[in-house]
Amino acid sequence: QQPVQSPQAVILREGEDAVINCSSSKALYSVHWYRQKHGEAPVFLMILLKGGEQKGHDKISASFNEKKQQSSLYLTASQLSYSGTYFCGTESPSNTGKLIFGQGTTLQVKP
Amino acid sequence: DTGVSQNPRHKITKRGQNVTFRCDPISEHNRLYWYRQTLGQGPEFLTYFQNEAQLEKSRLLSDRFSAERPKGSFSTLEIQRTEQGDSAMYLCASSLVGGQGGGQPQHFGDGTRLSIL
Repeated sequence: QQPVQSPQAVILREGEDAVINCSSSKALYSVHWYRQKHGEAPVFLMILLKGGEQKGHDKISASFNEKKQQSSLYLTASQLSYSGTYFCGTESPSNTGKLIFGQGTTLQVKP
Repeated sequence: DTGVSQNPRHKITKRGQNVTFRCDPISEHNRLYWYRQTLGQGPEFLTYFQNEAQLEKSRLLSDRFSAERPKGSFSTLEIQRTEQGDSAMYLCASSLVGGQGGGQPQHFGDGTRLSIL
């Protein structure tokens, strides 16, 4: 079952914050976040494991609510380089290793 | 440290032809994954290997698709009798094996873009 991401698209000014949500109808083992720029490969951002803490680096962080089977990606003080499409990928406890990706959230940061 | 390498980068072929793509994973990674991505969608899981063993193949995948990883290093994905609907970006990723078999970042190659005429 494909996770659902929201919103589908976001337009920001540099320096503004954004939150991208990922919701699954199934129990999760982990949630992975990737960013993909047009014509390029998805780039790994971070992974959140069941039982793990909130993670982050620089101005990008994420949380994982196991009970609600939801994860959120937080982008703080956005930069032009944050533009791209963000995907969450979910792993189920019964089938670890295999990622099911959401449909993506397109983020555009304007000067 | 080289990343995941895929070739060719682009493939244009006529409907009905067979095509083969190659993926070279990060050398110490024992898991290798194939995904397909169409415009505006997230990557769609096709199949994955741990060393040379194919652990799962998507039920949505036609019998025209086959993948191998003969020595647990590089992998090939073959599509026989290509159809218009096969046009997509084919992505390869690799990872280590984590505890309980998962929870490891997957690192993607730049993909092979397939266009069917």
